[in-house]
Amino acid sequence: EAQVTQNPRYLITVTGKKLTVTCSQNMNHEYMSWYRQDPGLGLRQIYYSMNVEVTDKGDVPEGYKVSRKEKRNFPLILESPSPNQTSLYFCASSSVGGGGAFFGQGTRLTVV
Amino acid sequence: AQSVTQLDSQVPVFEEAPVELRCNYSSSVSVYLFWYVQYPNQGLQLLLKYLSGSTLVKSINGFEAEFNKSQTSFHLRKPSVHISDTAEYFCAVFSGTYKYIFGTGTRLKVLA
Repeated sequence: EAQVTQNPRYLITVTGKKLTVTCSQNMNHEYMSWYRQDPGLGLRQIYYSMNVEVTDKGDVPEGYKVSRKEKRNFPLILESPSPNQTSLYFCASSSVGGGGAFFGQGTRLTVV
Repeated sequence: AQSVTQLDSQVPVFEEAPVELRCNYSSSVSVYLFWYVQYPNQGLQLLLKYLSGSTLVKSINGFEAEFNKSQTSFHLRKPSVHISDTAEYFCAVFSGTYKYIFGTGTRLKVLA
């Protein structure tokens, strides 16, 4: 089954404690990206990757890091989380042809 | 910069009535257009897409959208809604900048 898998689904952490949200896809997609979803703001892109070792900033990259060492994985790293990073995060993948993105189930992060 | 505008943040409609969710985009280049649906506590699912060809595209559950290049619109319609259509709907564009840009979403509430 074609899918994008994110872990964990829910996470509560404290300010400043480094965390990683994993994302994996099994469709051999070149393009992967991370979004955060906040009420009234829709989805905003954090980072995206066109292929292995190729990443670029989206619209709201501050406070986040990513890496793309393997084609299937695209983890999101928060080195020092802050309360304003409390949000619902989605990972997505697609082919470079832009035929539509597949989304993970989301990770609800709360930073206290 | 490209953008997607969904003017209606919420649309209440009675069951079996028709509905239209509006989407306008701004782009100086050719784009691919999408509608996604998000049910509570779930990720986004691709509802339908326009890549090329016929400007009227349809989904398997009765939704349709029409690409109008002159008005830069991609409105979503359904002639008769069901309670199960209650969800949040996002319009998105994908362009040569290799980014998916989402609107802020429209909450469709179907009333019995």
